[in-house]
Amino acid sequence: DSGVTQTPKHLITATGQRVTLRCSPRSGDLSVYWYQQSLDQGLQFLIQYYNGEERAKGNILERFSAQQFPDLHSELNLSSLELGDSALYFCASSSHYGYTFGSGTRLTVV
Amino acid sequence: AQKITQTQPGMFVQEKEAVTLDCTYDTSDQSYGLFWYKQPSSGEMIFLIYQGSYDEQNATEGRYSLNFQKARKSANLVISASQLGDSAMYFCALTGANSKLTFGKGITLSVRP
Repeated sequence: DSGVTQTPKHLITATGQRVTLRCSPRSGDLSVYWYQQSLDQGLQFLIQYYNGEERAKGNILERFSAQQFPDLHSELNLSSLELGDSALYFCASSSHYGYTFGSGTRLTVV
Repeated sequence: AQKITQTQPGMFVQEKEAVTLDCTYDTSDQSYGLFWYKQPSSGEMIFLIYQGSYDEQNATEGRYSLNFQKARKSANLVISASQLGDSAMYFCALTGANSKLTFGKGITLSVRP
């Protein structure tokens, strides 16, 4: 167990739907990062939050949004899903000791 | 902008032999960090080793060592005494002033018995 918890592990949904991915960072870590891993794009940085505030944005689509709550857990919301959104979504948290990844949520859009 | 380049095709190594996985990087930051992660077929990202740009010695973690050549902007991972469980995808990643990790495309390593 890395200490970063992601739920659910697997998600199958239809095109046009909306899903929410959840991430609990390692205890004490204030930063949360979201990454998307797909076969054609590789590992792409989506967004970073630090202590509840958005810190950096990467290649995140407008249909996607995220937030970090006061208890530091984060949620990634994906809406109007398309087949191409099928991917492995990782959350990572960071501290002085480095970056720790969760086990990922595998999203399949059918 | 930060960039990581991993251009090796799938790599094969005999069990118990050493293997080097190549990584070159580009960054305009003076202070940066380099990471290697392992991703087995189960999908999780496993941290292997870290090298800071100001670290004078090459990082080592058990069977993993990082051959850091700052002038050449390379950070190659060396795995000694390969094991069957080392078969996986390996990613090199870079972080700098903006703290996000930039990943390379990865290298697939297969260890032959």
